[in-house]
Amino acid sequence: DADVTQTPRNRITKTGKRIMLECSQTKGHDRMYWYRQDPGLGLRLIYYSFDVKDINKGEISDGYSVSRQAQAKFSLSLESAIPNQTALYFCATSPGGHDYEQYFGPGTRLTVT
Amino acid sequence: AQKVTQAQTEISVVEKEDVTLDCVYETRDTTYYLFWYKQPPSGELVFLIRRNSFDEQNEISGRYSWNFQKSTSSFNFTITASQVVDSAVYFCALRRFNTDKLIFGTGTRLQVFP
Repeated sequence: DADVTQTPRNRITKTGKRIMLECSQTKGHDRMYWYRQDPGLGLRLIYYSFDVKDINKGEISDGYSVSRQAQAKFSLSLESAIPNQTALYFCATSPGGHDYEQYFGPGTRLTVT
Repeated sequence: AQKVTQAQTEISVVEKEDVTLDCVYETRDTTYYLFWYKQPPSGELVFLIRRNSFDEQNEISGRYSWNFQKSTSSFNFTITASQVVDSAVYFCALRRFNTDKLIFGTGTRLQVFP
């Protein structure tokens, strides 16, 4: 089984709808992240969490909110989706410390019409 | 400011050719970390390598090799004897010491034709 899972994998929604993307991990990592990927722009950090009680904004948090329900679960919400939020969304985890890498989930492709 | 530049947007090669993907980074920090990730057509991001700024030793893993040169702020990735399965988008990324934010380049799409 995959260490980092994301649901749904694909979603089409309409402008103005609320949508939640979910991420679960079995790696036992404390830190979790949400990124979005747009063509030609690479990945950009939306939010990150050091633990259940510590959530931080990334570089593009406007229009998004997150919830860390447990060490293993980190959800991303779009309260009122808009078309320019159409993107590929990735969840990632890491053990923290200094010399470490982030492990990414399979991605969720979101289309807002 | 921190920045990662992958000037090659797309590279096409024929199978068995060697190919080098360039990565140039900008940072004023003395301690930082560099990464390469692979994104195959299926879309997931696969971690390939991590390097810290104090370790300039080149790395080889099978057909993959990485050349880290602080003097030119580059962390280039070479695939030897490329294969069709190497076709993917490759991202270089930078992380500052004591931060969690990964700064990604815009990626290089590699197409390997049979």
